[in-house]
Amino acid sequence: GAVVSQHPSRVICKSGTSVKIECRSLDFQATTMFWYRQFPKQSLMLMATSNEGSKATYEQGVEKDKFLINHASLTLSTLTVTSAHPEDSSFYICSASLQGYTDTQYFGPGTRLTVL
Amino acid sequence: GQQVMQIPQYQHVQEGEDFTTYCNSSTTLSNIQWYKQRPGGHPVFLIQLVKSGEVKKQKRLTFQFGEAKKNSSLHITATQTTDVGTYFCAGRDSWGKLQFGAGTQVVVTP
Repeated sequence: GAVVSQHPSRVICKSGTSVKIECRSLDFQATTMFWYRQFPKQSLMLMATSNEGSKATYEQGVEKDKFLINHASLTLSTLTVTSAHPEDSSFYICSASLQGYTDTQYFGPGTRLTVL
Repeated sequence: GQQVMQIPQYQHVQEGEDFTTYCNSSTTLSNIQWYKQRPGGHPVFLIQLVKSGEVKKQKRLTFQFGEAKKNSSLHITATQTTDVGTYFCAGRDSWGKLQFGAGTQVVVTP
């Protein structure tokens, strides 16, 4: 149980285009979903936390207009990287929990974004 | 703000040897979690420690939470090649936010 999927697993796009990444909890309803960014050989950096039906809470230094998050249902959250630039190239990982902050987070397999 | 430091950053281990990775927080934690990320993979939850001084074991892995709830350790005995990966600790502060350490990358040589 507690499986989280992400789509796509890998995406290459041109600079200036927007990319949407989906995060789904497959066998449970996730009250809260988290979006992380991971640079090569570095730790996970929390970008934002989203609760179903409400606006996402962004961490300091993360641009809301650049990284649009939508948590449309209890099983789906999307991250859209708008007007992507090469410096946005990274590994984006989502996680989902049953009951918000205090519950165990189950991680998706990640999406490798490369912006040319 | 809360900072979670993890050492060492890199650990080269001979198969069969033991090693320990340490996690220290600048503030008291409500709990601490450990994750393992295989090369090219995503973090996988290993365990959560909640109580002061708690010790939990998973086969060859021993997890410990300090008495002051500001530090934790993961000790692996008789390392195997399947132990390769990066081990992250993640401390949860009093507001519920989880902060990850930088990770310890473990390389095992036969």
